[in-house]
Amino acid sequence: QSALTQPASVSGSPGQSITISCTGTSSDIGTYDYVSWYQQHPGKAPKLIIYDVGNRPSGVSDRFSASKSGNTASLTISGLQAEDEADYHCSSYTRSGTYVTFGGGTKVTVL
Amino acid sequence: QVQLQESGPGLVKPSETLSLTCTVSGGPITNDYWSWVRQPPGKGLELIAYIHHNGNNKYNPSLKSRVTISLDASKNQFSLKVNSVTAADTAVYYCARRGWSAEFDSWGQGTLVTVSS
Repeated sequence: QSALTQPASVSGSPGQSITISCTGTSSDIGTYDYVSWYQQHPGKAPKLIIYDVGNRPSGVSDRFSASKSGNTASLTISGLQAEDEADYHCSSYTRSGTYVTFGGGTKVTVL
Repeated sequence: QVQLQESGPGLVKPSETLSLTCTVSGGPITNDYWSWVRQPPGKGLELIAYIHHNGNNKYNPSLKSRVTISLDASKNQFSLKVNSVTAADTAVYYCARRGWSAEFDSWGQGTLVTVSS
């Protein structure tokens, strides 16, 4: 069982915006601003799309934005496109164990 | 841009040892933290362990008794060993670079390891 909780699936039509939530605790998301998001297409390695809660690495589309409030982080995909259909994973720094914890992943379907 | 490539057997028998190596190119392995992450079929990501050239390393508590991570700076490689494997260890294993904000910014392509007799 993953330490961070994500919805199993989210769907939307092309052009719409969708939001994926990632809920943790005061031991991780609630205390540290080290939340990351990854996009993973089938059969491919995860790709970092957000780090430090809301920062995008160079080359990542600005249609991806993220934030956090309390113990919950959120990833928003604006102007949904067919290529956005993938699994999305969140992670956070945590004060114990390996100091990193992941969510279970969310499958995004473009209708 | 740093690149990572996993190598190792794709099939391991139950109770035996899983051994994987990650070769890093495009930069020295003496910087940064280097990690192993696995993903069982249809499931989420799990951090197994990470290591730094300065000797600092960390293991997932649920796997610590069976896992060893090591680093060979002369070859720009780091490795993973998992002892006494069972079917539950069947997964795609990724090597990745961990940044200072606990993000994983570079990943290998992944290698599927199946535990079966």
